[in-house]
Formats: sequence, structure tokens, C-alpha cells
Amino acid sequence: ETGVTQTPRHLVMGMTNKKSLKCEQHLGHNAMYWYKQSAKKPLELMFVYNFKEQTENNSVPSRFSPECPNSSHLFLHLHTLQPEDSALYLCASSQDIFGAGDTGELFFGEGSRLTVL
Amino acid sequence: GDSVTQMEGPVTLSEEAFLTINCTYTATGYPSLFWYVQYPGEGLQLLLKATKADDKGSNKGFEATYRKETTSFHLEKGSVQVSDSAVYFCALSDLLGDNDMRFGAGTRLTVKP
Repeated sequence: ETGVTQTPRHLVMGMTNKKSLKCEQHLGHNAMYWYKQSAKKPLELMFVYNFKEQTENNSVPSRFSPECPNSSHLFLHLHTLQPEDSALYLCASSQDIFGAGDTGELFFGEGSRLTVL
Repeated sequence: GDSVTQMEGPVTLSEEAFLTINCTYTATGYPSLFWYVQYPGEGLQLLLKATKADDKGSNKGFEATYRKETTSFHLEKGSVQVSDSAVYFCALSDLLGDNDMRFGAGTRLTVKP
């Protein structure tokens, strides 16, 4: 149990669907992140939120839309995705942005495996 | 910009073999270096870290030394177990550089009995 929970664990959607991924952390952290994990590629940072404010959008297409209603919850809304968007989407949190505090540690959820048909 | 390069896998070893996974980095500032591990069906979790040159991070029998002169942070374990089978990610956090956490592509390790 890492303290970061992601739902759903698996999602299959068509290119015209709208779906959302949810992330929840009860660690009292201030920063939350979305990463994309594709086979044989480095983890791609997508979005960063610090104290509920988006601080970084790493040139992510607009078909991915993040939402952070409070410091414990993070959503990734998906709309008109492409098959190449199929990947494992990881949520992470840290006490301070990018581990600026003492531990420098990110805490990851188990990921949501997305398949776009 | 900052980047991390780690050896491609997959790596397959027999139980009790010696493990080395190479990692080199480029950074403009003074990065902290990390190894994360991802067990099957799980998210990444921190394995060890080092925050300055010549520091050695260690955990669960794994070690890595921050070598500024060679810009490296190689992961080693003297005797691997089947339970060490996982994907290992090298990463850096450079608050004075890109202000980002950069990960390598991951190295899959399989340990056979």
C-alpha cells in the first residue's frame, strides 16, 4: 500500500468515448503528477499540480484534460483519444514539488492501463 | 536539458548472480539521483537515492554510488533473488536545472531459480 490509489486499474475505450482516470492520495502531500508509461520509453511527465495549481503542462495534447479539485484528488479526463495513447498512466505525489523536501521521493499509484481501440 | 540513460534490457540472471545496471546522467545543476523499482502489476517505488557526489545509497542489498566524475549512478547487488525480478528505473531530480524528475526507460530484470 503506497498511499496513492488509482481507478480504474484497466480501461478500454473507443476513440470517440469520454472517460476519466482518478487518483487519490491520503499522504498529506502538496504536489501531484500524471506520468505516461509506454513500453521501452522513459516515463513522460504530463502534468504537475502544486497546492491544487497546475504548474506544468508538458506539451500534452488537449484531448488529455487534468483536473485537481483539492490537494488529495487528481483526475485525467480523456476525450477522442488515439490508439497511440494506449499506455499505463501513473499518478504520483510528493510532499513538495519534485521532492524539494528532505526525502526527494515520489509516491506512485499502481497505474491505470488504458487501451484505445 | 537534463536526461538519464540506462542500459537496455532485458537482463536475465540466475539466482545468486551479481547484478549491475548502468545509469549515466546529464544535468545542468546539482541533481539528486534515484533508483525506483516497479514490481509486476504495481507502481514505481523508491529503492534508494543519493543527494550529492560520492554518496552511496543502499537498500535491500542494492547499492549505487553517485559518481560526479563519470556522471554515473550504477545499481549493483551482490546476489540477486527471484523476488528481485522487476523493472528498475534510474532517475534524477535537478531543482537548479530543469526543475523536473527525469526517468530512464527502465531495465527489466528477470531472475531464474
